[in-house]
Amino acid sequence: EPEVTQTPSHQVTQMGQEVILRCVPISNHLYFYWYRQILGQKVEFLVSFYNNEISEKSEIFDDQFSVERPDGSNFTLKIRSTKLEDSAMYFCASSDYGFPGQPQHFGDGTRLSIL
Amino acid sequence: LAKTTQPISMDSYEGQEVNITCSHNNIATNDYITWYQQFPSQGPRFIIQGYKTKVTNEVASLFIPADRKSSTLSLPRVSLSDTAVYYCLVGDQAGTALIFGKGTTLSVSS
Repeated sequence: EPEVTQTPSHQVTQMGQEVILRCVPISNHLYFYWYRQILGQKVEFLVSFYNNEISEKSEIFDDQFSVERPDGSNFTLKIRSTKLEDSAMYFCASSDYGFPGQPQHFGDGTRLSIL
Repeated sequence: LAKTTQPISMDSYEGQEVNITCSHNNIATNDYITWYQQFPSQGPRFIIQGYKTKVTNEVASLFIPADRKSSTLSLPRVSLSDTAVYYCLVGDQAGTALIFGKGTTLSVSS
């Protein structure tokens, strides 16, 4: 079964540094998403991306964050000037259609630790 | 946006059938009901989706009564590996974004 893959599995970064989290969505999917989960808390939506544009974003996704599809296979989340509270699991997801409720396929996440 | 209510936790033994019920009194006409499963340190995994009556796949069954104000995820003959958090999601969820609640933590013992 096709999978969403994320790299790295664990990223440790000093506060104030920039990080880029990488994702390879399922190849024929057109809609891409980022979520995060702070330890012990709910999975939170960050952003959705379609046709090289952000289609939705949450209040969490402020100017510190950006997303990009630099080529035909990768989807990245950049976090600038990282803060301690950015420590979380970050999940990438993709779907083939974009209607509400469309099942999304998640990767196993990148654990981001900010020191 | 339909609010969902599901038990915080459930316990079961291997080989038993587990039924997790989700209440969604304000479900809208066009809303689908979707269940995800999440193991520790992994991303959520889509299990099943339905609109009405009953849906069955290789993993689970989903029962939806006629009024659609609730739904029940049924896991037949659970094993230790079914220990996970199960999320019930309903509705358009503000577009394509999935809005997760706290889910139901299922613990399966031997």
